[in-house]
Formats: sequence, structure tokens, C-alpha cells
Amino acid sequence: AQSVTQLGSHVSVSEGALVLLRCNYSSSVPPYLFWYVQYPNQGLQLLLKYTSAATLVKGINGFEAEFKKSETSFHLTKPSAHMSDAAEYFCAVTSSGELTFGTGTRLTIIP
Amino acid sequence: EAGVTQFPSHSVIEKGQTVTLRCDPISGHDNLYWYRRVMGKEIKFLLHFVKESKQDESGMPNNRFLAERTGGTYSTLKVQPAELEDSGVYFCASSQTDFNGYEQYFGPGTRLTVT
Repeated sequence: AQSVTQLGSHVSVSEGALVLLRCNYSSSVPPYLFWYVQYPNQGLQLLLKYTSAATLVKGINGFEAEFKKSETSFHLTKPSAHMSDAAEYFCAVTSSGELTFGTGTRLTIIP
Repeated sequence: EAGVTQFPSHSVIEKGQTVTLRCDPISGHDNLYWYRRVMGKEIKFLLHFVKESKQDESGMPNNRFLAERTGGTYSTLKVQPAELEDSGVYFCASSQTDFNGYEQYFGPGTRLTVT
């Protein structure tokens, strides 16, 4: 069985500050890991994915995530937050197609 | 290229009624998934089609839910009869036939409210 834990259901950062959204996973087999973002009234959009190539993955909109096997983590970061980053972010894991999601983190940007 | 579309975007029905949700995947995508997010909870897997065949329906909550994908194109998810706990957002996702690291493309979801 696989699971995902996202620490912090709500995160607030100031505009221009570092964004750090935490994700820890549990998987008995090598995982594929994803970060999705959901803007208001929209569907889930893929930000980035880890598929066992480079451990540092770069995604869209300046986001990146680092796969750390020893820590079973896949934290999402962005050096400088922008107002448009306000959204809900989901970490997900799979090894067979069916995605297992975390509970999501709502990111608020403070002007 | 059109993305994954879902219809309706919102549905409000009374307990005991029937509702049918529709999903149109990206053209050419053989894999189609249904997920559900109950308010305040995580997004949970319901089932997976490969073309018209159900590959995995282990996430379907009970036999009040029936999913079909006739012809391997669009899919419907019927809830009959609906219960209050069925309220939530139902997402559909599709992925291409060739292996792409399980990357899935999501639709905007259908928000179902059962009163």
C-alpha cells in the first residue's frame, strides 16, 4: 500500500518569499511522484513529476522538487512566491497508475 | 488539442435520485480514471479503464456506483440512488496509451451536491 502525507493544510508566505510545501510518501516499490496544482474553479494541473531519472525535478512556473529516498520526501519549492501561486497543491504517488493523493495544501500569498 | 472535459460542472440532486456524470478524455488516450474528493478529505481513486475494460475498480464505494466506457471513448459514472455521503467533486483523468510515467491529465471536475 502507498500513502502520502502533506504537512500543513494551509501555508501562508509573503510575496517574494520562499515557498516550501512538504510531502512525505510511503511506498514498498520504487515510486513515481507528482505535484499537481488546482487553481480556483479549475481542474488539477501537473506541476512536475519524478520518474526515477534526476532527483531534482524542475516544473512549470518556477517550481521544483527534490526526491530524497532516505527521507521518503518530495518537497516542493519555489524561490520567490508570486500572487498567482495562490492555489491548492497536491502531492501524489503511484507505482501502477492509480494515484494516491495527500490531503492537499492551500497556499496563500500575502502581498 | 482539447483537454479532458466533464459534464455537468455542477449537479444538485435530492437523496434517492439518480445522477450521471460524463467524462470525455483526451482523444487517443486509452487510460481513463475516475477520482472523488469528499469535502475536507483527500482525492481518492475510484476506478481505471483501459479502453472499454475495467482494469481496476477497487475504489468504487459500493454497488450504487456504476461506471461505463462504451466504445472506449467517453465514460459515464452513474450514482443510483444517491446518498448524502456521495457529495463531493468527481474528477476524471486520462493518460496516453504508451507508458509516460503514469502522467495523467485531469478534467475540471463535477461538483455533486446531494441534499
